[in-house]
Amino acid sequence: SQTIHQWPATLVQPVGSPLSLECTVEGTSNPNLYWYRQAAGRGLQLLFYSVGIGQISSEVPQNLSASRPQDRQFILSSKKLLLSDSGFYLCAWSVPAAGNTIYFGEGSWLTVV
Amino acid sequence: RKEVEQDPGPFNVPEGATVAFNCTYSNSASQSFFWYRQDCRKEPKLLMSVYSSGNEDGRFTAQLNRASQYISLLIRDSKLSDSATYLCVVNFGHTGFQKLVFGTGTRLLVSP
Repeated sequence: SQTIHQWPATLVQPVGSPLSLECTVEGTSNPNLYWYRQAAGRGLQLLFYSVGIGQISSEVPQNLSASRPQDRQFILSSKKLLLSDSGFYLCAWSVPAAGNTIYFGEGSWLTVV
Repeated sequence: RKEVEQDPGPFNVPEGATVAFNCTYSNSASQSFFWYRQDCRKEPKLLMSVYSSGNEDGRFTAQLNRASQYISLLIRDSKLSDSATYLCVVNFGHTGFQKLVFGTGTRLLVSP
């Protein structure tokens, strides 16, 4: 069965510090991968998606970047965090051959102070 | 108009009650629809897909009205464990790729 792992689960970072969140999927190949953010009191916002290694699409202009160095690995990064980057970050995957339902990792709580 | 709009609630209901949530969406070309459930400080989890003819999964019934661009979720015989936020989700993407747009959620509180 497929599983998704995301880490770290919680982090508190000062403004201006770098960020790296990592996500890996197991039990499937060539998944579509996604990074979402959920800010307090707001809906989930799609930040990036990837349909293959090295292929990244950004949905909104922002202070973040994403990379997909391997088929089942997706990384969210920032060089310098802003207060507004605080939120709940969720990695997700889907497979077109399996109906393309999206499944989420457990999420990472980021607080920028 | 928001892409996906939901009443934030909260809906406070007693155990055993029937409760319904509605959701409207802006993209008339959308082809797939879902309800996700999100517990406090947890990731969203798929509750059910929504099919054109309507579908049922145990105590949960989902309906789609394409003409009016809304979907609904009906929960019968509410349990305490149903307390959560229910997210209406619409696919704004294309074949082979899911661009899911989430509503902000409707909070349900089931009390003894």
